[in-house]
Amino acid sequence: GENVEQHPSTLSVQEGDSAVIKCTYSDSASNYFPWYKQELGKRPQLIIDIRSNVGEKKDQRIAVTLNKTAKHFSLHITETQPEDSAVYFCAPRGASGSARQLTFGSGTQLTVLP
Amino acid sequence: EAGVTQFPSHSVIEKGQTVTLRCDPISGHDNLYWYRRVMGKEIKFLLHFVKESKQDESGMPNNRFLAERTGGTYSTLKVQPAELEDSGVYFCASSHDRVYEQYFGPGTRLTVT
Repeated sequence: GENVEQHPSTLSVQEGDSAVIKCTYSDSASNYFPWYKQELGKRPQLIIDIRSNVGEKKDQRIAVTLNKTAKHFSLHITETQPEDSAVYFCAPRGASGSARQLTFGSGTQLTVLP
Repeated sequence: EAGVTQFPSHSVIEKGQTVTLRCDPISGHDNLYWYRRVMGKEIKFLLHFVKESKQDESGMPNNRFLAERTGGTYSTLKVQPAELEDSGVYFCASSHDRVYEQYFGPGTRLTVT
């Protein structure tokens, strides 16, 4: 099965600074790489994702970069705002057989300090 | 378009009792997934339905857990009898067959005392 490691586990940044969270996975056949944001008491929400044939994707202040050779992908948030404070999860998806489930990282608690 | 809904939002039961959680996926989504987050740990996969069929139930912890999706619409997850370690938040997610994106419900917080 897929092994996923996510770093750091906690991250505090000043408002306006950038935040980067990294996710390393083990299954070289993984082909879909989403990031979820979960605010306290709410549902995990898909914020950005990338497929294996693309190296980078950007959506306003959020970007994801993928390095398939090294088997890691990263979430980049620029110009952070207090409302970005939440737990962020990476969740690569396998490609073999019926393995459509997401394998979640342990999460990163991001705190944006005003 | 209505999102994934789950019922109840919270459930507190005693050890040994039975609880049934319900998930209504987004209309038209054939794929339905159950996940669980135990306190402070990562979200873990439980099982995956395609329509009414169990595609993958490799994440189900033991035979005290029973999931059904009769008719291929909503799904239920029954825990019988509940144990203390079953406490956590149970999430349901759904996706269309042709895309990868999974959309999550708000979760059911289960507390077993």
